[in-house]
Amino acid sequence: SQTIHQWPATLVQPVGSPLSLECTVEGTSNPNLYWYRQAAGRGLQLLFYSVGIGQISSEVPQNLSASRPQDRQFILSSKKLLLSDSGFYLCAWSGGGQDQPQHFGDGTRLSIL
Amino acid sequence: LAKTTQPISMDSYEGQEVNITCSHNNIATNDYITWYQQFPSQGPRFIIQGYKTKVTNEVASLFIPADRKSSTLSLPRVSLSDTAVYYCLVVLSGGYQKVTFGIGTKLQVIP
Repeated sequence: SQTIHQWPATLVQPVGSPLSLECTVEGTSNPNLYWYRQAAGRGLQLLFYSVGIGQISSEVPQNLSASRPQDRQFILSSKKLLLSDSGFYLCAWSGGGQDQPQHFGDGTRLSIL
Repeated sequence: LAKTTQPISMDSYEGQEVNITCSHNNIATNDYITWYQQFPSQGPRFIIQGYKTKVTNEVASLFIPADRKSSTLSLPRVSLSDTAVYYCLVVLSGGYQKVTFGIGTKLQVIP
C-alpha cells in the first residue's frame, strides 16, 4: 500500500533562517505531489504542485520554493523565513488516473520566532 | 473551479446519524465530489468520492442528486471519535488536481 511521510512533525525557527521540509511517498510511482499550508482555523492553501521530476508549478508567489529531485520526493524550502511563514504545512500525493483523490501526510507545524 | 458551500459547524449526539450537505451550484460535467475528514494537527483523510447517485463504503455514504448541484455526506451512528472538520471538494478527475479547501464543517459529537 502507499504511504506518505513528512518530517519533521514540528519545527521552531528564527526569522531569517532557512527552511527545508521533506516529503516522501512509498508504494507508487510517478505520483502528483502537492504542498499546502493551513493557517489556524482556515482551509488549506495550495502552494506548489508537481506532476513529475523537476516539474514544479507555483500557485502563490511568496517566500517559499519547492523541488522534486526524485520521483517520490518533494521538498519545500526557504532561504529566509518570515514571521508570516508560520503555519501547518501539508504534503499530499495523488495518482494520475481518473478518480484519484489526494492523500495527505501528517503535516509539519512550523513556528517562526 | 466549482465553489462549495457547507455549514460551518454541526453538533450531534453519539449514536445518531449525521448528514452534512454541501452545495456546488457550478459543478462541471467532469467534476467529482470528494469528502475529507481532518483531526487537529493531522492531515486531511480521504473519506469518500462520487460522481452521481449514491456511493457507500465502510465509513460513510455519499448521496448526489441528479442535478449534482449538492451532495450529502452521511455518517451512520457517530461516535466521539468522529469529532472533526469535514471538507467537501469538487475535483476535476484525472491527472493534476487543483482543489480548493474551504474552512469545512466542524462536527462536534456530544456524549
